[in-house]
Amino acid sequence: GENVEQHPSTLSVQEGDSAVIKCTYSDSASNYFPWYKQELGKRPQLIIDIRSNVGEKKDQRIAVTLNKTAKHFSLHITETQPEDSAVYFCAANGAKAAGNKLTFGGGTRVLVKP
Amino acid sequence: DADVTQTPRNRITKTGKRIMLECSQTKGHDRMYWYRQDPGLGLRLIYYSFDVKDINKGEISDGYSVSRQAQAKFSLSLESAIPNQTALYFCATSQGYGYTFGSGTRLTVV
Repeated sequence: GENVEQHPSTLSVQEGDSAVIKCTYSDSASNYFPWYKQELGKRPQLIIDIRSNVGEKKDQRIAVTLNKTAKHFSLHITETQPEDSAVYFCAANGAKAAGNKLTFGGGTRVLVKP
Repeated sequence: DADVTQTPRNRITKTGKRIMLECSQTKGHDRMYWYRQDPGLGLRLIYYSFDVKDINKGEISDGYSVSRQAQAKFSLSLESAIPNQTALYFCATSQGYGYTFGSGTRLTVV
């Protein structure tokens, strides 16, 4: 099945700096890569996703890049703000035969220092 | 608003007790999932269901069972709770690719 690895597990940045989180996946058939943000005590919520037919997608201060050849994708947060402090999860869908279930990375705890 | 609701939000139970966590959704999604989240760990899949007649084990199903009573309801049971099942449990739904998560149930087994 699909295996997703996420790095780093913790990331501390100064307010205004950029943050980058990287994920690798194992199943070359994966074609959907979402990112979820989980604030303390709350549910994970989708913040951005990318399909395999594009290499980059941007939404205001967040962007995701995908390298299908290398099987890795990354989340970029620019001009970080205190409200960006949260745990971020990457995910990849599995094979169609397995119902396109998402497999999640282990999470990255991001702390934005004022 | 269409949403995914989990009950209870918090529960403390004793070792050996049977407990049921409930999930209901108004999103009209066919697919429902139960995940477990432990401190410092990601989301691990316990069980999933693609429709009312379809139940599948995830990566950590031992010690758990589920029931899909209707399209909108998916319950998770711990037949005989043990302390290492203390965790945060999330239900999720999907129709296609994106998942919507419930608010979670924090379960403590003492």
